[in-house]
Amino acid sequence: DIQMTQSPSTLSASVGDRVTITCRASQSISTWLAWYQQKPGKAPKVLIYKASSLQSGVPSRFSGSGSGTEFTLTINSLQPDDFATYYCQQYNSYYTFGQGTKLEIK
Amino acid sequence: QLQLQESGPGLVKPSQTLSLTCTVSGGSISSSGYYWGWIRQPPGRGLEWIGSITYSGSTQYNPSLKSRVTISVDTSKNQFSLKLTSVTAADTGVFYCARRALSEIFDYWGQGTLVTVSS
Repeated sequence: DIQMTQSPSTLSASVGDRVTITCRASQSISTWLAWYQQKPGKAPKVLIYKASSLQSGVPSRFSGSGSGTEFTLTINSLQPDDFATYYCQQYNSYYTFGQGTKLEIK
Repeated sequence: QLQLQESGPGLVKPSQTLSLTCTVSGGSISSSGYYWGWIRQPPGRGLEWIGSITYSGSTQYNPSLKSRVTISVDTSKNQFSLKLTSVTAADTGVFYCARRALSEIFDYWGQGTLVTVSS
């Protein structure tokens, strides 16, 4: 099984900040990585796929990078709507999610 | 706009079988190249993929759950279903159905349904 580890588990930031979330895979997954945003009581929403491709309709302040085993999700100029939990997900071999990063208002 | 809706009992007794159905509207479950999947989320925890199926019945299962999971499809009703046997309290959580797109991401999700395993 491919394990996905995110850091940090919790991140405190302010509106307008730039934040970065890291996701590490237990083995190389090339660029078969997606990022999702989940708000309380709602289903996840895909933001990024293939490590760096922006899903249609997602604001350009979201960006992803990385390959192999290390990946990052960056959010530029945080907006109030961005405070949520973020998950990475590999799809190199079946599907595994990271444990999540909760982005809180400082 | 594609929509998915989960349905089924919200309470299941330990050792029994959890059964859920996902109804797809606004599009056909028989569209080529897509998988239709189930993902669960224990209370306050992360996401776990359970398994997926195509309209023709080809399945993929999470190896850690494979012995207890069956996913089936009914194209005449535009539905797919999940059965999880021998449930315990550890199976409590929100169950989502979702479409796995050609890009292999889960791009459309149901709203989720909470299933509690308790006597």
